[in-house]
Amino acid sequence: ETGVTQSPTHLIKTRGQQVTLRCSSQSGHNTVSWYQQALGQGPQFIFQYYREEENGRGNFPPRFSGLQFPNYSSELNVNALELDDSALYLCASSPIPRDSGNYGYTFGSGTRLTVV
Amino acid sequence: GQNIDQPTEMTATEGAIVQINCTYQTSGFNGLFWYQQHAGEAPTFLSYNVLDGLEEKGRFSSFLSRSKGYSYLLLKELQMKDSASYLCVVRPGAGNMLTFGGGTRLMVKP
Repeated sequence: ETGVTQSPTHLIKTRGQQVTLRCSSQSGHNTVSWYQQALGQGPQFIFQYYREEENGRGNFPPRFSGLQFPNYSSELNVNALELDDSALYLCASSPIPRDSGNYGYTFGSGTRLTVV
Repeated sequence: GQNIDQPTEMTATEGAIVQINCTYQTSGFNGLFWYQQHAGEAPTFLSYNVLDGLEEKGRFSSFLSRSKGYSYLLLKELQMKDSASYLCVVRPGAGNMLTFGGGTRLMVKP
């Protein structure tokens, strides 16, 4: 089975620009979550998509938006980039959005975004 | 709110045992995970606890006490490749997000 694939691996953008990050979920997984990980910190939840709709959101402004496609892949879009948006962006897929069991989140290797 | 505390850094010797502690205060609780993350790589799943007690998996064990809001990850027979960050992660009872601690960077020395 394939894992979670993210692209691009590295990206440099200028403050004020817009960026789109992409994620292909693991085979059989229909839920995708996005996390922002600043250097030396733990990941912070941005939002989750299930059945092509946003299904939970963390404390991030509206300029962070996303999409999920019928094949369960997903995009994270960030508008009006700020210097503090520089971070590793992680995508995680899972088979169902919520369960009491360990249904397993699989993480991609992330996209390293640098805003200058 | 959600708050997860774990030490920032730990150092241990190859072949030894190390325990990484985690305390949490969350608005709900529906399981606790430990993930390993090497620099520049994806977090990888190590363990999951939802009931009190010890879960053992090879060289790694994880303990949970829900009444104390406490967990630990125990690593035995440390190897150099165990040098990584270890993330304590709670899934709250409500909502679908995972809440991560800041991570403990473990350095294993010869």
